[in-house]
Amino acid sequence: GAGVSQSPSNKVTEKGKDVELRCDPISGHTALYWYRQSLGQGLEFLIYFQGNSAPDKSGLPSDRFSAERTGGSVSTLTIQRTQQEDSAVYLCASSPAGSYNEQFFGPGTRLTVL
Amino acid sequence: RKEVEQDPGPFNVPEGATVAFNCTYSNSASQSFFWYRQDCRKEPKLLMSVYSSGNEDGRFTAQLNRASQYISLLIRDSKLSDSATYLCVVGGGGGADGLTFGKGTHLIIQP
Repeated sequence: GAGVSQSPSNKVTEKGKDVELRCDPISGHTALYWYRQSLGQGLEFLIYFQGNSAPDKSGLPSDRFSAERTGGSVSTLTIQRTQQEDSAVYLCASSPAGSYNEQFFGPGTRLTVL
Repeated sequence: RKEVEQDPGPFNVPEGATVAFNCTYSNSASQSFFWYRQDCRKEPKLLMSVYSSGNEDGRFTAQLNRASQYISLLIRDSKLSDSATYLCVVGGGGGADGLTFGKGTHLIIQP
């Protein structure tokens, strides 16, 4: 079946612009996660959704970052007034109910802020 | 956030050799443990879960030592295709609260 998909695959933007990243989880997966990975670094957890709710937003790097999920499916991660340090690969993962620790990752969105 | 530490490597190993690497985690309340594999410029993929009793999947063996908060991965008869970054991953006690990833150990299998 279809895996996690993310769009766009690559995004180049200018400093100060807003960007929106999209994640389509595996159908039926109740949990959805956002991570980012800077060049040569490990994965940094940003936020997760259980259904449409995000119980803990403390992992978001700043108030310029926000995320939402609708219909228990698609999620968007929005970065306002992008900065150069926001450049990274943004990875989305999903997992089924009852198996939250087995996460299936999408291919990521490579964001470059000039 | 909880911490997971790994030797970044790279580990350069000849094809056919056995290689082992490990990680330590700081949160003694951690309940679930995994090794993920990440190929260059690709997303992480689950390699195997790690259980207290140890578990084996083909050429791969994972061990967990809760007392020492230490997780290991052993790869026997290494193949060129094993070249990747191996991520040690620790999770909480259930619930969708996200996993904590180590920065990974880079493995290079040489012909």
